[in-house]
Parts: sequence; structure tokens; C-alpha cells
Amino acid sequence: TQLLEQSPQFLSIQEGENLTVYCNSSSVFSSLQWYRQEPGEGPVLLVTVVTGGEVKKLKRLTFQFGDARKDSSLHITAAQPGDTGLYLCAGDEGGSEKLVFGKGTKLTVNP
Amino acid sequence: DTAVSQTPKYLVTQMGNDKSIKCEQNLGHDTMYWYKQDSKKFLKIMFSYNNKELIINETVPNRFSPKSPDKAHLNLHINSLELGDSAVYFCASSHGQGAFRSQETQYFGPGTRLLVL
Repeated sequence: TQLLEQSPQFLSIQEGENLTVYCNSSSVFSSLQWYRQEPGEGPVLLVTVVTGGEVKKLKRLTFQFGDARKDSSLHITAAQPGDTGLYLCAGDEGGSEKLVFGKGTKLTVNP
Repeated sequence: DTAVSQTPKYLVTQMGNDKSIKCEQNLGHDTMYWYKQDSKKFLKIMFSYNNKELIINETVPNRFSPKSPDKAHLNLHINSLELGDSAVYFCASSHGQGAFRSQETQYFGPGTRLLVL
């Protein structure tokens, strides 16, 4: 059973559209991180959320941590081709030392 | 200046061979990791070292042996390579000096693409 379920798995949209991707679990996490990975490169951290209900903004990206700290969402406003990539959520279950990753959402933004 | 570097970038080899992947970080971090990303892009931790000490050892075949000669380097040696070892292997590092290591930013290297024929 996958600890962190991400949806959708694939998303292809036009430039200027809005989108939301989800990261869900039945487990509680001390924190959740979102990474973006571009083809041929390693993941790069976008944000870490640690408090239930927390909302963080990074330009056109809005991240929310669920109140119960079991889920998170990433909303992108007015998507641009530069947003194309694999978005990965990762959490430390129960404060363990290790990060567990979801399988990712592959986003393609067409010009 | 590359923060986390890995060599080689590509590795094509025959089944049964032994190979090593090297990782170096120049960020002054205490913690380093090895991850495996399969063909479906699923990223899974294999090992973690803090100040040259092994702190995470996931269920990985003992054909895989990490070695940390100093806190800036974490190498991965793989014996008797199998077809299923084909994947992208990522090295990462984080500060490793706080109480909540798993909440720290992890800096990933560019990956080593291993193909076992």
C-alpha cells in the first residue's frame, strides 16, 4: 500500500489555466514537502509545511497542509510552460527520520 | 559550483558485474542519502548517513553497500548487478544538525542512470 497517494498522475493543460494536485494519506505526518523534478535532473524543494491548516504561497503556487496533517494540495494559478515537471510530495510519517515520497504528478503546460 | 555531484551520470553494464557510484557535496552538510527512482518515477530511500554513521538502512539487498569516507562523500557500491537494479540513483544531502532532520531541505544530485543488460 502506497503511503502517499498523489492525484492526478498525469495532467496536461494549456498555458494560463489553473490546476490543483493532491497528496493524500491515511497516516499523520509531522511535515510534508513538495518537490519539482525536471527531466534529467534531481528533485528541487519547493516548500515544507509543518502546521495543520498551514497555507504557504510561492508566487503563483499555493500549498496547503490539511488540518489533520494527513493530506496536502498544490494549486497553480495561470500555469506557464516553465511549470512543466514532475511534482512530488514527501512526508515524514510520525516524525521518523526518513522521507516517504508519493509517485508524483507529471504536469505538462502547453504554450 | 555544483552543490551535490554524482559520477558517473550514465552507467551501462552487464548482469553480474560490480560497479560503484560516487557522490560528493560541498554544502558542509552532515547528512547524506541514497535514493532509487524506478521507471515509474517512484523515489525510494535506500540509505542515510549522518556524520559518516549509518542512520537509515531500508530493506535493500546486501549487494548494495554504502561507504562514507568523510561527511562530504557517500559512495554506493553494487555487487553482482541484476536487471532489476536498472534505475536512476540519486544522492542527496541535508544540514543534519537540527532535531527534525526529515523536515530539512534535501539537495539532490543530478542522478546516475544505471542500465543493466
